[in-house]
Amino acid sequence: GQNIDQPTEMTATEGAIVQINCTYQTSGFNGLFWYQQHAGEAPTFLSYNVLDGLEEKGRFSSFLSRSKGYSYLLLKELQMKDSASYLCAVRERDYKLSFGAGTTVTVRA
Amino acid sequence: DGGITQSPKYLFRKEGQNVTLSCEQNLNHDAMYWYRQDPGQGLRLIYYSQIVNDFQKGDIAEGYSVSREKKESFPLTVTSAQKNPTAFYLCATRQANQPQHFGDGTRLSIL
Repeated sequence: GQNIDQPTEMTATEGAIVQINCTYQTSGFNGLFWYQQHAGEAPTFLSYNVLDGLEEKGRFSSFLSRSKGYSYLLLKELQMKDSASYLCAVRERDYKLSFGAGTTVTVRA
Repeated sequence: DGGITQSPKYLFRKEGQNVTLSCEQNLNHDAMYWYRQDPGQGLRLIYYSQIVNDFQKGDIAEGYSVSREKKESFPLTVTSAQKNPTAFYLCATRQANQPQHFGDGTRLSIL
Protein backbone atom coordinates (compact mmCIF):
# COMPACT_ATOMS: atom_id res chain seq x y z
CA GLY A 1 0.00 0.00 0.00
CA GLN A 2 0.88 3.65 -0.14
CA ASN A 3 1.13 6.47 2.37
CA ILE A 4 1.25 9.83 0.62
CA ASP A 5 1.38 13.10 2.54
CA GLN A 6 1.10 16.65 1.30
CA PRO A 7 0.02 19.87 2.99
CA THR A 8 -3.68 20.66 2.96
CA GLU A 9 -3.51 24.31 2.02
CA MET A 10 -1.05 26.99 0.89
CA THR A 11 -1.53 30.66 0.13
CA ALA A 12 0.76 32.88 -1.92
CA THR A 13 0.77 36.21 -3.70
CA GLU A 14 0.52 36.71 -7.43
CA GLY A 15 4.00 36.66 -8.99
CA ALA A 16 5.53 34.74 -6.10
CA ILE A 17 6.87 31.17 -5.90
CA VAL A 18 5.26 28.30 -4.03
CA GLN A 19 6.70 24.86 -3.29
CA ILE A 20 4.37 21.96 -2.54
CA ASN A 21 6.03 19.02 -0.81
CA CYS A 22 4.98 15.40 -1.05
CA THR A 23 6.36 12.48 0.95
CA TYR A 24 5.52 8.87 0.26
CA GLN A 25 6.16 5.30 1.32
CA THR A 26 5.81 2.55 -1.25
CA SER A 27 6.69 -1.08 -1.80
CA GLY A 28 7.17 -0.80 -5.56
CA PHE A 29 7.93 2.67 -6.92
CA ASN A 30 7.33 3.24 -10.63
CA GLY A 31 7.07 6.98 -10.95
CA LEU A 32 5.58 10.05 -9.32
CA PHE A 33 3.02 12.33 -10.94
CA TRP A 34 1.65 15.78 -10.23
CA TYR A 35 -1.83 16.76 -11.36
CA GLN A 36 -3.68 20.07 -11.20
CA GLN A 37 -7.39 20.07 -10.40
CA HIS A 38 -9.62 23.13 -10.51
CA ALA A 39 -12.74 23.02 -8.37
CA GLY A 40 -15.41 20.76 -9.89
CA GLU A 41 -13.20 19.69 -12.77
CA ALA A 42 -11.10 16.67 -13.67
CA PRO A 43 -7.40 16.48 -12.79
CA THR A 44 -5.00 17.42 -15.57
CA PHE A 45 -1.47 16.05 -15.86
CA LEU A 46 1.35 18.44 -14.97
CA SER A 47 4.57 16.48 -14.53
CA TYR A 48 6.20 13.09 -14.13
CA ASN A 49 9.39 11.99 -12.37
CA VAL A 50 10.80 8.48 -12.32
CA LEU A 51 14.50 9.29 -11.82
CA ASP A 52 16.03 11.53 -9.17
CA GLY A 53 16.37 15.16 -10.05
CA LEU A 54 14.50 18.15 -11.36
CA GLU A 55 12.11 18.22 -14.32
CA GLU A 56 11.30 21.71 -15.61
CA LYS A 57 8.26 22.60 -17.68
CA GLY A 58 7.78 26.31 -18.13
CA ARG A 59 6.65 27.88 -14.85
CA PHE A 60 6.29 24.46 -13.22
CA SER A 61 9.12 22.21 -12.01
CA SER A 62 9.05 18.93 -10.14
CA PHE A 63 11.78 17.29 -8.11
CA LEU A 64 12.20 13.70 -6.93
CA SER A 65 14.43 11.97 -4.41
CA ARG A 66 13.66 8.25 -4.37
CA SER A 67 15.96 7.49 -1.46
CA LYS A 68 14.12 10.03 0.70
CA GLY A 69 10.63 9.23 -0.61
CA TYR A 70 10.22 12.93 -1.36
CA SER A 71 9.03 15.13 -4.19
CA TYR A 72 8.10 18.76 -4.60
CA LEU A 73 6.22 20.78 -7.19
CA LEU A 74 7.49 24.32 -7.69
CA LEU A 75 5.18 26.92 -9.15
CA LYS A 76 6.92 30.11 -10.27
CA GLU A 77 5.52 33.51 -11.29
CA LEU A 78 2.18 32.62 -9.77
CA GLN A 79 -0.94 33.70 -11.63
CA MET A 80 -4.51 33.87 -10.38
CA LYS A 81 -5.42 30.94 -12.64
CA ASP A 82 -2.97 28.76 -10.67
CA SER A 83 -5.45 28.72 -7.77
CA ALA A 84 -6.34 25.02 -7.70
CA SER A 85 -5.74 21.76 -5.92
CA TYR A 86 -2.45 19.99 -6.69
CA LEU A 87 -2.42 16.22 -6.39
CA CYS A 88 0.67 14.10 -5.80
CA ALA A 89 0.32 10.52 -7.08
CA VAL A 90 2.68 7.56 -6.83
CA ARG A 91 2.62 4.77 -9.40
CA GLU A 92 3.37 1.20 -8.46
CA ARG A 93 4.90 -1.49 -10.66
CA ASP A 94 1.43 -2.69 -11.77
CA TYR A 95 0.72 0.87 -12.98
CA LYS A 96 -1.83 1.58 -10.25
CA LEU A 97 -1.80 5.16 -8.97
CA SER A 98 -2.23 6.15 -5.34
CA PHE A 99 -3.11 9.77 -4.67
CA GLY A 100 -2.45 12.14 -1.82
CA ALA A 101 -5.36 14.20 -0.52
CA GLY A 102 -4.25 17.24 -2.52
CA THR A 103 -2.92 20.69 -1.65
CA THR A 104 -5.24 23.64 -2.24
CA VAL A 105 -3.24 26.64 -3.43
CA THR A 106 -4.85 30.06 -3.20
CA VAL A 107 -3.22 32.89 -5.12
CA ARG A 108 -3.96 36.38 -3.79
CA ALA A 109 -3.68 39.58 -5.79
CA ASP B 1 -9.84 15.39 -21.50
CA GLY B 2 -10.34 15.06 -25.23
CA GLY B 3 -11.20 11.49 -26.13
CA ILE B 4 -12.68 10.41 -22.80
CA THR B 5 -16.40 10.96 -22.40
CA GLN B 6 -18.22 10.50 -19.13
CA SER B 7 -21.97 10.79 -18.99
CA PRO B 8 -24.07 12.12 -17.52
CA LYS B 9 -22.33 15.06 -15.83
CA TYR B 10 -24.83 15.05 -12.97
CA LEU B 11 -26.80 12.03 -11.78
CA PHE B 12 -29.38 11.60 -9.09
CA ARG B 13 -30.33 8.31 -7.53
CA LYS B 14 -33.06 7.25 -5.17
CA GLU B 15 -32.03 5.08 -2.28
CA GLY B 16 -32.19 1.40 -3.15
CA GLN B 17 -31.64 1.93 -6.86
CA ASN B 18 -28.71 0.79 -8.97
CA VAL B 19 -27.26 3.34 -11.37
CA THR B 20 -24.71 3.01 -14.18
CA LEU B 21 -22.09 5.63 -15.05
CA SER B 22 -20.77 5.65 -18.58
CA CYS B 23 -17.14 6.03 -19.66
CA GLU B 24 -16.23 5.90 -23.35
CA GLN B 25 -12.84 6.54 -24.94
CA ASN B 26 -11.63 6.86 -28.51
CA LEU B 27 -7.92 7.03 -27.64
CA ASN B 28 -7.38 3.30 -28.21
CA HIS B 29 -5.91 3.04 -24.71
CA ASP B 30 -5.66 -0.41 -23.20
CA ALA B 31 -6.13 0.44 -19.53
CA MET B 32 -9.13 2.12 -17.93
CA TYR B 33 -9.78 3.13 -14.32
CA TRP B 34 -12.60 4.30 -12.07
CA TYR B 35 -11.95 6.57 -9.11
CA ARG B 36 -14.12 8.15 -6.48
CA GLN B 37 -13.36 11.59 -4.99
CA ASP B 38 -14.90 12.90 -1.78
CA PRO B 39 -14.43 16.45 -0.44
CA GLY B 40 -11.01 16.92 1.13
CA GLN B 41 -9.84 13.48 0.10
CA GLY B 42 -7.65 12.11 -2.63
CA LEU B 43 -8.86 9.97 -5.46
CA ARG B 44 -9.57 6.38 -4.43
CA LEU B 45 -9.43 3.52 -6.91
CA ILE B 46 -12.64 1.51 -7.34
CA TYR B 47 -11.92 -0.83 -10.26
CA TYR B 48 -9.46 -1.00 -13.12
CA SER B 49 -9.02 -2.91 -16.34
CA GLN B 50 -5.73 -3.48 -18.15
CA ILE B 51 -7.23 -5.28 -21.17
CA VAL B 52 -10.61 -6.14 -22.63
CA ASN B 53 -12.60 -8.81 -20.78
CA ASP B 54 -10.46 -8.46 -17.66
CA PHE B 55 -10.73 -6.19 -14.62
CA GLN B 56 -9.52 -6.06 -11.02
CA LYS B 57 -10.83 -4.62 -7.79
CA GLY B 58 -9.24 -1.47 -6.49
CA ASP B 59 -9.12 -0.28 -2.91
CA ILE B 60 -12.86 0.41 -2.45
CA ALA B 61 -14.71 -2.01 -4.77
CA GLU B 62 -17.50 -2.98 -2.36
CA GLY B 63 -20.90 -1.90 -3.65
CA TYR B 64 -19.66 -1.37 -7.21
CA SER B 65 -19.46 -3.50 -10.35
CA VAL B 66 -17.89 -3.03 -13.80
CA SER B 67 -17.61 -4.70 -17.19
CA ARG B 68 -15.09 -4.39 -20.02
CA GLU B 69 -16.69 -6.02 -23.04
CA LYS B 70 -15.24 -3.49 -25.47
CA LYS B 71 -11.93 -1.64 -25.45
CA GLU B 72 -13.72 1.71 -25.75
CA SER B 73 -16.13 1.26 -22.85
CA PHE B 74 -15.82 0.70 -19.10
CA PRO B 75 -19.18 1.32 -17.39
CA LEU B 76 -19.42 1.48 -13.61
CA THR B 77 -22.57 0.37 -11.77
CA VAL B 78 -23.18 1.78 -8.32
CA THR B 79 -25.38 -0.77 -6.57
CA SER B 80 -27.75 -0.34 -3.66
CA ALA B 81 -25.11 -2.07 -1.53
CA GLN B 82 -22.94 1.07 -1.71
CA LYS B 83 -24.04 2.91 1.43
CA ASN B 84 -22.40 6.28 0.70
CA PRO B 85 -22.60 6.71 -3.07
CA THR B 86 -22.66 10.51 -3.14
CA ALA B 87 -19.31 11.51 -4.67
CA PHE B 88 -17.51 12.75 -7.77
CA TYR B 89 -16.67 9.79 -10.02
CA LEU B 90 -13.74 10.00 -12.41
CA CYS B 91 -12.80 7.67 -15.25
CA ALA B 92 -9.23 7.57 -16.55
CA THR B 93 -7.33 5.81 -19.30
CA ARG B 94 -3.68 4.92 -19.81
CA GLN B 95 -1.55 3.62 -22.65
CA ALA B 96 1.78 1.91 -21.94
CA ASN B 97 4.03 3.99 -19.67
CA GLN B 98 2.15 7.24 -20.24
CA PRO B 99 0.32 9.23 -17.53
CA GLN B 100 -3.31 8.52 -16.82
CA HIS B 101 -5.72 11.02 -18.36
CA PHE B 102 -9.13 11.76 -16.95
CA GLY B 103 -12.63 12.33 -18.20
CA ASP B 104 -14.68 15.28 -16.95
CA GLY B 105 -16.35 13.25 -14.21
CA THR B 106 -19.89 12.45 -13.08
CA ARG B 107 -21.27 13.90 -9.88
CA LEU B 108 -23.67 11.45 -8.23
CA SER B 109 -26.15 12.55 -5.57
CA ILE B 110 -28.74 10.68 -3.55
CA LEU B 111 -32.29 12.04 -3.48
